[in-house]
Amino acid sequence: EVQLSESGGGLEQPGGSLRLSCAASGFTFSSFAMNWVRQAPGKGLEWVSSISATGGDTYYADSVQGRFTISRDNSQNSLYLQMNNLRAEDSAVYYCAKDDYFWGSYRYMLYWGHGTVVTISS
Amino acid sequence: IQMTQSPSSLPASVGDRVTITCRASQSISSYLNWFQQKPGKAPNLLIYAASTLEGGVPSRFSGSGSGTDFTLTISSLQPEDFAIYYCQQSYSVPFTFGQGTKLEIK
Repeated sequence: EVQLSESGGGLEQPGGSLRLSCAASGFTFSSFAMNWVRQAPGKGLEWVSSISATGGDTYYADSVQGRFTISRDNSQNSLYLQMNNLRAEDSAVYYCAKDDYFWGSYRYMLYWGHGTVVTISS
Repeated sequence: IQMTQSPSSLPASVGDRVTITCRASQSISSYLNWFQQKPGKAPNLLIYAASTLEGGVPSRFSGSGSGTDFTLTISSLQPEDFAIYYCQQSYSVPFTFGQGTKLEIK
């Protein structure tokens, strides 16, 4: 059974840093790209970042480019999101989600974690 | 790529047939996914590649479209279907979501 479990959220001041983690199990972690998606309170879903299976390719939303860094440790089946220079607008539930593929090219996110709450406030 | 859903809110009754529309700002072929989200829960994948139903999703859900215009149809609304629905393009980064459509009880 695929399981994803986020941790590391909490209350941080503007300008501060947080590191989110996502522990994965139930699949060959090193074979799949992974994503972070967030949802601000009362708002819609926002894709934040993706990382390839090997970790060699990373992608970011414009809203976090230069402040957030996605990484992974395939030996530990773990995904990370280092968030620096945090802003109030980064307050959200952060989900990790596993990439899956249809016919090798159509990608979709079937498995999601429960989310971890990040609150940025002074 | 901007994804625009309509309507933003959709009042409906149990048994109704409803359709939600998603429009992409440029062609995305069939790289379109649909999610359902209920309060306090992670999104639940319903349809991928525009029209392929994820396993375990009831057959009353269907998706269609390609290029820039897509639809999600629920053939006969059930009480558990009242939720927020999002489309998402997986054609190119950033993998943008629509703003959501809230399906409400009329």
